[in-house]
Amino acid sequence: AQTVTQSQPEMSVQEAETVTLSCTYDTSESDYYLFWYKQPPSRQMILVIRQEAYKQQNATENRFSVNFQKAAKSFSLKISDSQLGDAAMYFCAYHSSGGGADGLTFGKGTHLIIQP
Amino acid sequence: AAGVIQSPRHLIKEKRETATLKCYPIPRHDTVYWYQQGPGQDPQFLISFYEKMQSDKGSIPDRFSAQQFSDYHSELNMSSLELGDSALYFCASSSRVHEQYFGPGTRLTVT
Repeated sequence: AQTVTQSQPEMSVQEAETVTLSCTYDTSESDYYLFWYKQPPSRQMILVIRQEAYKQQNATENRFSVNFQKAAKSFSLKISDSQLGDAAMYFCAYHSSGGGADGLTFGKGTHLIIQP
Repeated sequence: AAGVIQSPRHLIKEKRETATLKCYPIPRHDTVYWYQQGPGQDPQFLISFYEKMQSDKGSIPDRFSAQQFSDYHSELNMSSLELGDSALYFCASSSRVHEQYFGPGTRLTVT
């Protein structure tokens, strides 16, 4: 079974600065997908960014980018120019590529605080 | 763009009662997933359906059942409710491109 570990229960960053959230995972599969989801106080789960394990290039979505290190099984999220609206719980998630309808395995989450 | 619709948004039930949660996936999405998120917890996968057939099963209690209908909407039926079933229940949908889009959730409170 796959496991996802987020070692930072809480992170704090000043508005406009850059912050990196860590995520490691354990799997015996060679092909899989990794995601970052954002959960603001509204509790809505919002897909932030996705990475396919077979792609060496790190995914980028506007101010959000990842550092994917497959050998190290590491998948960190970098948020540049942090904004107040970025304050939320961030969950790292793993999805097996073997079955499209497999459930996501989530980490415990990192609570991101943005200091004005 | 259309999103996943869940109803009801809030539900209060007493112990031992039954609850039914409904999920309407994004149009043209053929796969539905159910997750349970307890207070302060990460979402836990319960069950999924692809083309109206059960596809994957997670930590779903035997008291819970689910199905996907011909119009692709799905229902999660929960019987003999316990206090520990109080949680936020998410439905997500996908079109088999390995991206799951979540609905707003149903907050279930069992008293």
